[in-house]
Amino acid sequence: DSGVTQTPKHLITATGQRVTLRCSPRSGDLSVYWYQQSLDQGLQFLIQYYNGEERAKGNILERFSAQQFPDLHSELNLSSLELGDSALYFCASSVEQLNTGELFFGEGSRLTVL
Amino acid sequence: AQSVTQLGSHVSVSEGALVLLRCNYSSSVPPYLFWYVQYPNQGLQLLLKYTTGATLVKGINGFEAEFKKSETSFHLTKPSAHMSDAAEYFCAVSESDTGRRALTFGSGTRLQVQP
Repeated sequence: DSGVTQTPKHLITATGQRVTLRCSPRSGDLSVYWYQQSLDQGLQFLIQYYNGEERAKGNILERFSAQQFPDLHSELNLSSLELGDSALYFCASSVEQLNTGELFFGEGSRLTVL
Repeated sequence: AQSVTQLGSHVSVSEGALVLLRCNYSSSVPPYLFWYVQYPNQGLQLLLKYTTGATLVKGINGFEAEFKKSETSFHLTKPSAHMSDAAEYFCAVSESDTGRRALTFGSGTRLQVQP
């Protein structure tokens, strides 16, 4: 158990819909990262937050947005969903802002868009 | 820009045989390098990392990797494979000049261990 909690574990929805994925980082971790894992794209970095502020942006679509709340949990919002958004979305956390340390990954939220 | 190439999307070895998973990186500044493992239906878990210092890095479960700057490589090895090593392995890189840059992962190598 990494200590990172993601909900929901599975989600099935239709094209055009909007969903919210939630992540609770390990106790004490200030950084939260979102990654998308799909068969064709592999593991793609989406976005990073540190103590409530956006720190780095990767290949995140404009239809996607995220935020980190004062209690440090984070939400990833996916809107106007397309079939290609079907993937496993991982949240990871680390205690520090810098990438010299270890990322702790949750078990992921599997999104299926029909 | 940083990138990672993992040679071989699938590797199959016999139990007790040497495991060698290949990773080459590209980075404009000295890299930080990582190997993560993903077991079925689980998130990724850190196996080992190289930041500075000794180029031969030992990790969990008997794995080790050697940073070779001249070859831009960070191959993962284990002398004797165990059935429990069957999983997907990801090499990752981040750049040391700006710690804000998140990890860039390779495409992964699925390791099968035959009895």
